[in-house]
Amino acid sequence: SAVISQKPSRDICQRGTSLTIQCQVDSQVTMMFWYRQQPGQSLTLIATANQGSEATYESGFVIDKFPISRPNLTFSTLTVSNMSPEDSSIYLCSVGGFSYNEQFFGPGTRLTVL
Amino acid sequence: AQSVTQLDSQVPVFEEAPVELRCNYSSSVSVYLFWYVQYPNQGLQLLLKYLSGSTLVKGINGFEAEFNKSQTSFHLRKPSVHISDTAEYFCAVRNPTSGTYKYIFGTGTRLKVLA
Repeated sequence: SAVISQKPSRDICQRGTSLTIQCQVDSQVTMMFWYRQQPGQSLTLIATANQGSEATYESGFVIDKFPISRPNLTFSTLTVSNMSPEDSSIYLCSVGGFSYNEQFFGPGTRLTVL
Repeated sequence: AQSVTQLDSQVPVFEEAPVELRCNYSSSVSVYLFWYVQYPNQGLQLLLKYLSGSTLVKGINGFEAEFNKSQTSFHLRKPSVHISDTAEYFCAVRNPTSGTYKYIFGTGTRLKVLA
């Protein structure tokens, strides 16, 4: 298993600003994943972050809005840029287990945009 | 493409009663199936998974699920629930041949166990 921490755990931000969310894993992993969980909705994959290469974004998500960094095998950041109230969500990072047949999730960052 | 449907958004049940949370999926290929639990203000935790083999899968905390290919279902059950089982439960699928590690999640079922 993997232990994942996220910072901040929650934040309240003004529209038009940006927030960077940090994800730290207690072991080295090749892929890290960023999900969004909008109120009352399911988890949606934003992007897959590989160390040393550009993140791969899912349909409907773009790098300008959600830039991701992956400087090493235990750390990643997701920035939510130029925020609007529609960005109010829980953002979770995760890593894959053996053969990626399970995923371990961080506790999430609860973002509220006013 | 795959999709997951959790028909019940909320399920109230009395303590020590049995519960079933329903999950149906749609896929043209064989998939892996998962149930995750999310306790308040926490991340998701894997309850159980079906990859292959026996269609009855046992997980943590006394939960089990049965894979039914003909009905494309993967319902989660527990014979006797506790107050501590109050949480949100997510069903998910992954296509192991897709070349990606993408999971598709259902919209979740909020289980509320009543005293």
